[in-house]
Amino acid sequence: GESVGLHLPTLSVQEGDNSIINCAYSNSASDYFIWYKQESGKGPQFIIDIRSNMDKRQGQRVTVLLNKTVKHLSLQIAATQPGDSAVYFCAENIPDSSYKLIFGSGTRLLVRP
Amino acid sequence: DTGVSQDPRHKITKRGQNVTFRCDPISEHNRLYWYRQTLGQGPEFLTYFQNEAQLEKSRLLSDRFSAERPKGSFSTLEIQRTEQGDSAMYLCASSPGLAERNFGPGTRLLVL
Repeated sequence: GESVGLHLPTLSVQEGDNSIINCAYSNSASDYFIWYKQESGKGPQFIIDIRSNMDKRQGQRVTVLLNKTVKHLSLQIAATQPGDSAVYFCAENIPDSSYKLIFGSGTRLLVRP
Repeated sequence: DTGVSQDPRHKITKRGQNVTFRCDPISEHNRLYWYRQTLGQGPEFLTYFQNEAQLEKSRLLSDRFSAERPKGSFSTLEIQRTEQGDSAMYLCASSPGLAERNFGPGTRLLVL
């Protein structure tokens, strides 16, 4: 398959450890945020979302934290598995009529067996 | 599978040729988006439809690009007189509103 990104920041973790992927977003008016996972040659896959009136949201093995003061978003993955290896993107929703998403630059997660 | 589908998955063309891509969104989703993604980058917004109306176009969408959603269901993206710089992954996404955008698998375009 093709690489999603060849020069992305990379986080390497041991299988079973927790992973934390960080993202700085650009627009203080953004009201909704999504984390996507993208495997090589595939489209982005929704992981978890959070609205700006929340600071934490948990899913299955994943937690998203939002710090609006410093415009920072993080994705925590518990007990990282080899299948979690992918590129992860955060996306912010600009609150205009189109609800278009603006994507960050992505982080490659490599899980060592 | 009731997700977003795109066709073709891969397209190789010669510079100057026209290409057309198709997106079939999730059936109850009235919002449809096209994005472009190049290696090492996140997807970049190209255009947005609400039902059959094209409501927003990015400055990235030059006059060689045109998108349609004639019946408010599937959409097509056409690139005329392709250039090597058009080589990218073209992604389609749909949503019912503010909620999660569901992306298709993308069409990988290579312009020789």
